[in-house]
Amino acid sequence: QQPVQSPQAVILREGEDAVINCSSSKALYSVHWYRQKHGEAPVFLMILLKGGEQKGHDKISASFNEKKQQSSLYLTASQLSYSGTYFCGTPDTFGNEKLTFGTGTRLTIIP
Amino acid sequence: GAGVSQSPRYKVAKRGQDVALRCDPISGHVSLFWYQQALGQGPEFLTYFQNEAQLDKSGLPSDRFFAERPEGSVSTLKIQRTQQEDSAVYLCASSLRDRGRSPLHFGNGTRLTVT
Repeated sequence: QQPVQSPQAVILREGEDAVINCSSSKALYSVHWYRQKHGEAPVFLMILLKGGEQKGHDKISASFNEKKQQSSLYLTASQLSYSGTYFCGTPDTFGNEKLTFGTGTRLTIIP
Repeated sequence: GAGVSQSPRYKVAKRGQDVALRCDPISGHVSLFWYQQALGQGPEFLTYFQNEAQLDKSGLPSDRFFAERPEGSVSTLKIQRTQQEDSAVYLCASSLRDRGRSPLHFGNGTRLTVT
């Protein structure tokens, strides 16, 4: 079962903030976040690990709630370059490298 | 090379033809993944290699799909007797082996259209 993301799509003006949520029906061991622009490869944004460790870009923040089996990605002061589809990815078991990707959130930033 | 390289970038096949898609991962990356992405959907897992060993092929949709990585570097995804439902973007990704703590680096994909 793939993680469910919300919202499905959002349109923002440049400079506004956005929150993208990822919710799993199974235990979360870690959460990866990727952004994909149309016709391009998904690009890594961040990994969140159990215990609070994070690896990723400085300008992006995220949270990981193991108990609620949820993660949220926070995009502040959005720029036009933030447009794209965001996917969370989660492993099925601890230490598993294979990811199951979420349903995706399409973000459009307008000037 | 600097990133994951996939070829061809686009492939049009007539129904029933066999196709071979190539992936050249980042040098030194032990793990290699194949994903299938339908239009407007997230990537769906097909198969996973650690070096030359295929550890998981649970996502391959049928026995028409076959993947190999004989020397632990370049990988090929082969689809036999293509069907229209095989039309999708096929993404390859590689990563360091780090128990899921390393990011996946994706190639630009091969867009397969079966007519």
